[in-house]
Amino acid sequence: GNSVTQMEGPVTLSEEAFLTINCTYTATGYPSLFWYVQYPGEGLQLLLKATKADDKGSNKGFEATYRKETTSFHLEKGSVQVSDSAVYFCALSDTGGGNKLTFGTGTQLKVEL
Amino acid sequence: ETGVTQTPRHLVMGMTNKKSLKCEQHLGHNAMYWYKQSAKKPLELMFVYSLEERVENNSVPSRFSPECPNSSHLFLHLHTLQPEDSALYLCASSQLTGLDTGELFFGEGSRLTVL
Repeated sequence: GNSVTQMEGPVTLSEEAFLTINCTYTATGYPSLFWYVQYPGEGLQLLLKATKADDKGSNKGFEATYRKETTSFHLEKGSVQVSDSAVYFCALSDTGGGNKLTFGTGTQLKVEL
Repeated sequence: ETGVTQTPRHLVMGMTNKKSLKCEQHLGHNAMYWYKQSAKKPLELMFVYSLEERVENNSVPSRFSPECPNSSHLFLHLHTLQPEDSALYLCASSQLTGLDTGELFFGEGSRLTVL
């Protein structure tokens, strides 16, 4: 079946540092890939997505590229802010439709001044 | 209100209690979902309702019973739960069009503690 593997957290960075959160996946077919973010006390919200190989999703300074050859979708940001502190979830879609997503465990990011 | 609203936000119950979690979406979506979020584990998809019909039931124990009376409301009825059922239960909605975007809209969750 489908699965998503994320790096374990927490990841602690200083403000303006470079961020990478690794994500690899196992899936049949050609799923779409997503990053969701969960700020403290809130529900998950879509951060960015990519629907086919070599696509790059981007939003709020975050980027991730769909790498089919390495089955990866790593999240990056050039300069993090304290307000980016949250839990980040990598996910893929079931190719059977229905918006049924398989999520990873989530990676907590803490950004300090 | 806008978005997806879940009540209660926190619930503590004994193993013999019966309680319900409620979810309401104000987005006009036609699909609703229950996910379970436990520490250090991936989010687990429990149930999916499309146009008020249950289309997914991922081997969830019968002590969890979903109900979708209309496209805006989703319930999760709980009875004779176990301590390992303690988790954050997330409700989500989406609009299924045949060209699904994978975008789910989540509520803030109901934190359940089973004593």
